[in-house]
Amino acid sequence: QSVLTQPPSASGTPGQRVTISCSGSSSNIGSNTVNWYQQLPGRAPTLLMFRNSLRPSGVPDRFSGSKSGTSAALAISGLQSEDETDYYCAAWDDSLNGVVFGGGTKLTVL
Amino acid sequence: QMQLQESGPGLVKPSATLSLTCIVSGGSITSDTYYWGWIRQPPGKGLQWIGSVYYSASTVYNPSFKSRATMSVDTSKNQFSLSLNSVTAADTAVYFCARVMIVVLEGGDFIDLWGQGMLVTVSS
Repeated sequence: QSVLTQPPSASGTPGQRVTISCSGSSSNIGSNTVNWYQQLPGRAPTLLMFRNSLRPSGVPDRFSGSKSGTSAALAISGLQSEDETDYYCAAWDDSLNGVVFGGGTKLTVL
Repeated sequence: QMQLQESGPGLVKPSATLSLTCIVSGGSITSDTYYWGWIRQPPGKGLQWIGSVYYSASTVYNPSFKSRATMSVDTSKNQFSLSLNSVTAADTAVYFCARVMIVVLEGGDFIDLWGQGMLVTVSS
């Protein structure tokens, strides 16, 4: 059981805009920023978004992030087939004194 | 560019101790900007934070591991390690080492770099 809650799956057609939600509590998302990771099959996660809405170098601006209260969202616009993979949200948790993760969302490009 | 690489046995017997090392290359482990963490991912499941270690050897563990986990750092070899004792089949997972960026401002530290991961299977 993951501390942060994500939908297990999401889907969209090429060119469409898709949003993945992430819900937490006051000890994590409510008081800290949210980070997103992309994990290709059989690979390590890579940082996709940090501090709610900042993109690391090399991440296309089709990806955007937002946070409100104890929830956050990752939006992908202009969906491409290469976006089909798993996405995880994460945040620092003040009670755990560590990082907590969502259960992951598998994105399918139809 | 810094890289992290896990190493250790891929098969561990039940009740034994799982031991993994993360070799840091392309940069120093003795940074005041980062510290080091371990995360695991059981097959087909999500990610779980195990704990973290600073280059000073200060550690913080996820209580879920109930004192089974021990982390250490060897600055002379630029590497850090994880030991997990009394393992069971439930500890079968891909274990990742990671770099954790220290956030001076409010917002919480975050993982900005991962090792490639290593599958450890607990089986007799």
